[in-house]
Amino acid sequence: EAGVAQSPRYKIIEKRQSVAFWCNPISGHATLYWYQQILGQGPKLLIQFQNNGVVDDSQLPKDRFSAERLKGVDSTLKIQPAKLEDSAVYLCASSLGDRDSETQYFGPGTRLLVL
Amino acid sequence: GNSVTQMEGPVTLSEEAFLTINCTYTATGYPSLFWYVQYPGEGLQLLLKATKADDKGSNKGFEATYRKETTSFHLEKGSVQVSDSAVYFCALPYSGGGADGLTFGKGTHLIIQP
Repeated sequence: EAGVAQSPRYKIIEKRQSVAFWCNPISGHATLYWYQQILGQGPKLLIQFQNNGVVDDSQLPKDRFSAERLKGVDSTLKIQPAKLEDSAVYLCASSLGDRDSETQYFGPGTRLLVL
Repeated sequence: GNSVTQMEGPVTLSEEAFLTINCTYTATGYPSLFWYVQYPGEGLQLLLKATKADDKGSNKGFEATYRKETTSFHLEKGSVQVSDSAVYFCALPYSGGGADGLTFGKGTHLIIQP
């Protein structure tokens, strides 16, 4: 079974530029999550999708971050404009989404450096 | 929302030593509790979980018991190996239960020396 795929793996941009990350979850997984992991900290949930609907985006900085999951499969996370403090690893995870206490499967992450 | 506090590292041990990584949580109700591990160069993966009080999760020689009295979920292993070197994260649902996003601790970097 293929795992969660993310691209690109690394990205370097200057502040005020825009950037987009892509995630392809495990086939059949209805729930998709985006996390931000700043160096030395645990992942922080940004947004959760159930199929193509948003379940929770309370921790997403909506003035600069946006995310979509068209057709309930792939998802993109965009930052526009980027700030220095956005330097982090962006993790995508997915789960089946049909019962409690499910395992979340994480992708390798996209490491973003904002200069 | 829910929160978790875990001991910070790095924790350096010799091979075959006993390991404890402390984790305490604050939550509404009795959510499921998780330990995730991140090996060098790899993505986060579930190590073990417990879904209700007094449950013991176990995997790869690691164990953790859900203690509601002390709101703790400490990770233990009787004899660590060099291959256990990784970053370990304690986690629980961000809010409520179900297939929720997770709130993670800051992570504990474990280094096992031969």
